[in-house]
Amino acid sequence: EAGVTQFPSHSVIEKGQTVTLRCDPISGHDNLYWYRRVMGKEIKFLLHFVKESKQDESGMPNNRFLAERTGGTYSTLKVQPAELEDSGVYFCASSQALGSTEAFFGQGTRLTVV
Amino acid sequence: GNSVTQMEGPVTLSEEAFLTINCTYTATGYPSLFWYVQYPGEGLQLLLKATKADDKGSNKGFEATYRKETTSFHLEKGSVQVSDSAVYFCALTPGTASKLTFGTGTRLQVTL
Repeated sequence: EAGVTQFPSHSVIEKGQTVTLRCDPISGHDNLYWYRRVMGKEIKFLLHFVKESKQDESGMPNNRFLAERTGGTYSTLKVQPAELEDSGVYFCASSQALGSTEAFFGQGTRLTVV
Repeated sequence: GNSVTQMEGPVTLSEEAFLTINCTYTATGYPSLFWYVQYPGEGLQLLLKATKADDKGSNKGFEATYRKETTSFHLEKGSVQVSDSAVYFCALTPGTASKLTFGTGTRLQVTL
């Protein structure tokens, strides 16, 4: 069974450009989460999808970030326009619908804004 | 709100030494507690978990006991190996299918 996959693994963009990160969760997992780790600090929650709906987006830093989950399958996280402070590692995780306390993580996308 | 505090690293140990990485938490109710590990070049992996007070999670020689009275979930291993070198994250979730709150991570470096 394939795990959570994220694309790209690395991205280097200039300030002001747009970047789109993609996450493919484990098949059948209704819950999908985005997290971010900035500059060696703690991993912080960004948002949570249940199927195609945003369950909790309280961690989204500002309106330059837009997350979607088309048809409840894969998800994208777009940053437009990117700023220097957006640099970090973006993790995606998924878990099953009910009774699950374990989230499975992808390898992360390292975003560098220069 | 929920929070997790873990000891700052890096922690440098010789192979076969005893490891303790401290983790304390603040949360309402009865959270589930986790240790995740990130090996170099890889993603986060669940190392162990405990879902109620006094539970002990264990995996790959690592152990952690859910202590509600001290709000702690310290990670221990009796004899570390070079292959244990990684970043370890303590985390909690207030319930099922809920977001995780992480600590800052502790880098462990094990040398021969």
